[in-house]
Amino acid sequence: QQQVKQSPQSLIVQKGGISIINCAYENTAFDYFPWYQQFPGKGPALLIAIRPDVSEKKEGRFTISFNKSAKQFSLHIMDSQPGDSATYFCAASKDDYKLSFGAGTTVTVRA
Amino acid sequence: NAGVMQNPRHLVRRRGQEARLRCSPMKGHSHVYWYRQLPEEGLKFMVYLQKENIIDESGMPKERFSAEFPKEGPSILRIQQVVRGDSAAYFCASSPTGGYNNEQFFGPGTRLTVL
Repeated sequence: QQQVKQSPQSLIVQKGGISIINCAYENTAFDYFPWYQQFPGKGPALLIAIRPDVSEKKEGRFTISFNKSAKQFSLHIMDSQPGDSATYFCAASKDDYKLSFGAGTTVTVRA
Repeated sequence: NAGVMQNPRHLVRRRGQEARLRCSPMKGHSHVYWYRQLPEEGLKFMVYLQKENIIDESGMPKERFSAEFPKEGPSILRIQQVVRGDSAAYFCASSPTGGYNNEQFFGPGTRLTVL
């Protein structure tokens, strides 16, 4: 069963726009929520991660928003660039090694 | 400073053959994780190993799959008597330690196709 549900499956955004990807989880024991970026033919690379003791974390143009009561977290990509075109995976774990991944969102940024 | 290396990158096997996937972790990393990615799905945890030890294999199918991480050499994921449903991308990740704040660094994956 999918422990982390991710949406949308794909999205297209204009250069300079905002990309928003949402994830929801059921297991309240999860305490680590990373986002991974994957380019075709490559392995996933850690983009940004958050722990449940904070509601938001920002690194450059990437922001994670975390809502513990709703068991949801999202990734916002501000000022989207063509180089951001990739597949993004949210993930969660409760012991820091057994990551449960969402199904992925393919982001296409149009110039 | 080489990252996680996996080989082969692409592997084609006929049903009933064996597949051996290799993973060399980043220098200084002694913890290895294997994940499987089926088409249109996210990665699914298979097994976590330290040198010479299997720590958690709760995601491994009970039959035909095995993994090892010997004292010397790469980690090996072995699939015996492959079936079409084994066709997937297999990713290896490594980390320097297994504790808190433990970022996993992923390799480029091995794409297994079973004919």
